[in-house]
Amino acid sequence: NAGVTQTPKFRILKIGQSMTLQCTQDMNHNYMYWYRQDPGMGLKLIYYSVGAGITDKGEVPNGYNVSRSTTEDFPLRLELAAPSQTSVYFCASTPRDRSSYEQYFGPGTRLTVT
Amino acid sequence: AQSVTQLDSQVPVFEEAPVELRCNYSSSVSVYLFWYVQYPNQGLQLLLKYLSGSTLVESINGFEAEFNKSQTSFHLRKPSVHISDTAEYFCAVRFNAGNNRKLIWGLGTSLAVNP
Repeated sequence: NAGVTQTPKFRILKIGQSMTLQCTQDMNHNYMYWYRQDPGMGLKLIYYSVGAGITDKGEVPNGYNVSRSTTEDFPLRLELAAPSQTSVYFCASTPRDRSSYEQYFGPGTRLTVT
Repeated sequence: AQSVTQLDSQVPVFEEAPVELRCNYSSSVSVYLFWYVQYPNQGLQLLLKYLSGSTLVESINGFEAEFNKSQTSFHLRKPSVHISDTAEYFCAVRFNAGNNRKLIWGLGTSLAVNP
């Protein structure tokens, strides 16, 4: 298994541009999450999904959108990028097993908005 | 509100010295507890977890953590650190109230091991 994969690894956007961060997992996990990580601020949950077709907001959803049309994919869309969205973005997933709460992380996407 | 506090943002230590990274959480409800490690420019990896059973849990690379229910703590320890342990360490908690799979994260502790 490749686990959780994210593309691209790095991206520079100009203010006002849009982009989609891709996240795919091949472990048949039901639950998926998007976080952003800023220095000294830990992880902030942007959006999460409990299964295909179901998404919900986390702590910091403004400026982002998500969709979950398949179990495997959970793309994060940035519309009208702003400098405040400069961050490292991590996607994670959790198995459907009710006894498992461990999150499996992708390698991250480093985004700079200038 | 449910919260997780990592009491030290940075911990510098010398190689082969012992280290303790502290983690406290806010609630006395049933919890699941996790420590994750993040090496430079990488994603987060699970280091160890407590779900039930023995309150002392160990990782394969010599770290251990002890769940203390009365003090609502889950401190991470290693008796002798290596240069390669230099990383960011995150404590995360799943508060077992409700039917969600979200974890509440601490802000992280940066462990710097010096020769």
